[in-house]
Amino acid sequence: EPEVTQTPSHQVTQMGQEVILRCVPISNHLYFYWYRQILGQKVEFLVSFYNNEISEKSEIFDDQFSVERPDGSNFTLKIRSTKLEDSAMYFCASSEALRWEQYFGPGTRLTVT
Amino acid sequence: AQKVTQAQTEISVVEKEDVTLDCVYETRDTTYYLFWYKQPPSGELVFLIRRNSFDEQNEISGRYSWNFQKSTSSFNFTITASQVVDSAVYFCALSENSGNTPLVFGKGTRLSVIA
Repeated sequence: EPEVTQTPSHQVTQMGQEVILRCVPISNHLYFYWYRQILGQKVEFLVSFYNNEISEKSEIFDDQFSVERPDGSNFTLKIRSTKLEDSAMYFCASSEALRWEQYFGPGTRLTVT
Repeated sequence: AQKVTQAQTEISVVEKEDVTLDCVYETRDTTYYLFWYKQPPSGELVFLIRRNSFDEQNEISGRYSWNFQKSTSSFNFTITASQVVDSAVYFCALSENSGNTPLVFGKGTRLSVIA
């Protein structure tokens, strides 16, 4: 069964460093998303991406964040200068169509020290 | 603005008991979509069900059933004859039809099933 994959599973970085989180969505899906979950809290939307551009973003997704689909398979989230409060689990998701079920990857745990 | 409330933070049941997880939502849209996801201890988010606002039929899938009531803005989830493997955090989520709105999640209910 097709699934969303994410790498790395765990990333430790120092405050101020740049990180890139990688995702491979399900191949026939057209909509891509990033969410984050701070430990023990609810899942929060960051950004959605369709047709090679951002379709919606939340207040969390400020200028420090960017997304890219560099090729036909990968979907990346970049945080330019990490802060302590960026420590969270970051989930990538994809869906075949808008408002259809989103399938989530296993997540990348980002720890900023 | 859309909002999802899962008032039960934690529930603990003994194996084989039935358990219902509550979900209440708020939206101004007449067309919207409701979802349940399971997050087991391993951390991934597993899709369980999607419902649109025009389909109020209850759904049963094995030991899982969902009760959608527009009159009370609720979309409750029942696990029958619970098992230890059901132990997880369960999230209810809402997506409105207007714009490109993403999933808005509730805070989740942690279910512990004790053998």
